[in-house]
Amino acid sequence: NAGVMQNPRHLVRRRGQEARLRCSPMKGHSHVYWYRQLPEEGLKFMVYLQKENIIDESGMPKERFSAEFPKEGPSILRIQQVVRGDSAAYFCASSPLPSGRASTTGELFFGEGSRLTVL
Amino acid sequence: DQQVKQNSPSLSVQEGRISILNCDYTNSMFDYFLWYKKYPAEGPTFLISISSIKDKNEDGRFTVFLNKSAKHLSLHIVPSQPGDSAVYFCAGLNNAGNMLTFGGGTRLMVKP
Repeated sequence: NAGVMQNPRHLVRRRGQEARLRCSPMKGHSHVYWYRQLPEEGLKFMVYLQKENIIDESGMPKERFSAEFPKEGPSILRIQQVVRGDSAAYFCASSPLPSGRASTTGELFFGEGSRLTVL
Repeated sequence: DQQVKQNSPSLSVQEGRISILNCDYTNSMFDYFLWYKKYPAEGPTFLISISSIKDKNEDGRFTVFLNKSAKHLSLHIVPSQPGDSAVYFCAGLNNAGNMLTFGGGTRLMVKP
């Protein structure tokens, strides 16, 4: 009965390198959401994906960031040519159906996050 | 444009007393409001929610009140316990049902 699994939990990169963050949703969940928490700030929506489809990427920076959720395997958030401002905690969440239709609560289930530090 | 605001970054309460965490929103189209609790180095965990057509929802020590005319909601925890010490996030769910918009969080400290 595993929850949302994210890895790595901690990632250190130098400026200009690439960061790849992985998220395996809860069993039976086919909807994945990525959120970013900058230091001392709240959670900001980045992207919402279903299997093989990006549904809403309105929160994704226009450059260097991309996300995918392939038919097989985890969802990947990829950050190319990282800069210091990308240092943050990146949280993945999943639901069995789109939020609001999954249950009466609209609940999302979050992973423990991946903390990216850019040197 | 911050659609969900938590104006108090921190709150300190004595054990056994009531904790009241506040949240204001600007988007009238939110369908549900949710409260999440977050411990350091962990992901947020769902606490309680309320439909936009209700004004109160209660679950044990936790009660959420919604005032739609004021676009304000609050989370009441009574009695507060030291284990309640965490960051609490308020979030609004859009009526398309596919996005949660979070406030900036309030750090609650419950002193023994």
